[in-house]
Amino acid sequence: DARVTQTPRDKVTEMGQEVTMRCQPILGHNTVFWYRQTMMQGLELLAYFRNRAPLDDSGMPKDRFSAEMPDATLATLKIQPSEPRDSAVYFCASGFFGTLINQPQHFGDGTRLSIL
Amino acid sequence: DAKTTQPNSMESNEEEPVHLPCNHSTISGTDYIHWYRQLPSQGPEYVIHGLTSNVNNRMASLAIAEDRKSSTLILHRATLRDAAVYYCILRDPPGGTNAGKSTFGDGTTLTVKP
Repeated sequence: DARVTQTPRDKVTEMGQEVTMRCQPILGHNTVFWYRQTMMQGLELLAYFRNRAPLDDSGMPKDRFSAEMPDATLATLKIQPSEPRDSAVYFCASGFFGTLINQPQHFGDGTRLSIL
Repeated sequence: DAKTTQPNSMESNEEEPVHLPCNHSTISGTDYIHWYRQLPSQGPEYVIHGLTSNVNNRMASLAIAEDRKSSTLILHRATLRDAAVYYCILRDPPGGTNAGKSTFGDGTTLTVKP
């Protein structure tokens, strides 16, 4: 089965460092989502793209977070500078959404981020 | 976004059926009902979805109330591997800008006892 691939699987770094998380969506999917999951807040949508264009990033702290899709096979989520409160599991998901199609999202296994 | 309400937790015995309820009283006429589950240390995975009619697939069945204000996910014979957090979410219909965008609540944590 095709899978969404996220790297790295785990990341531990010190406060103030730049963190880059990567996602390879499933080939043919036109929509990519970034989520953050913590015990306190649950699963939150940070941003999503359709056909590589950002559609909504209202869930993302703008001052330190940025999300891009350099090409159809790569989505990135960057945090600069990182803070301890950014510690969470970050999930990427992809899916195909068209005029007549309402397909499910496929999630990666996440990046577990710890900011010391 | 229309909101869903689920019980925080449920327990089941292995090999027995499980009925997981979800209330969505503010659902719009075109919202789809989706169910996902999240196993420990994994990302959520799709289980099933429907609009008005009951749906069956190899994983589960989805029963949708006639007024669509509630739905029930049915696992016909629970196994230990079904222990997970189950999320009921609402999605826009195909074609809209918000298609695919959804809000995950806290879900129902299902414990399966051997």
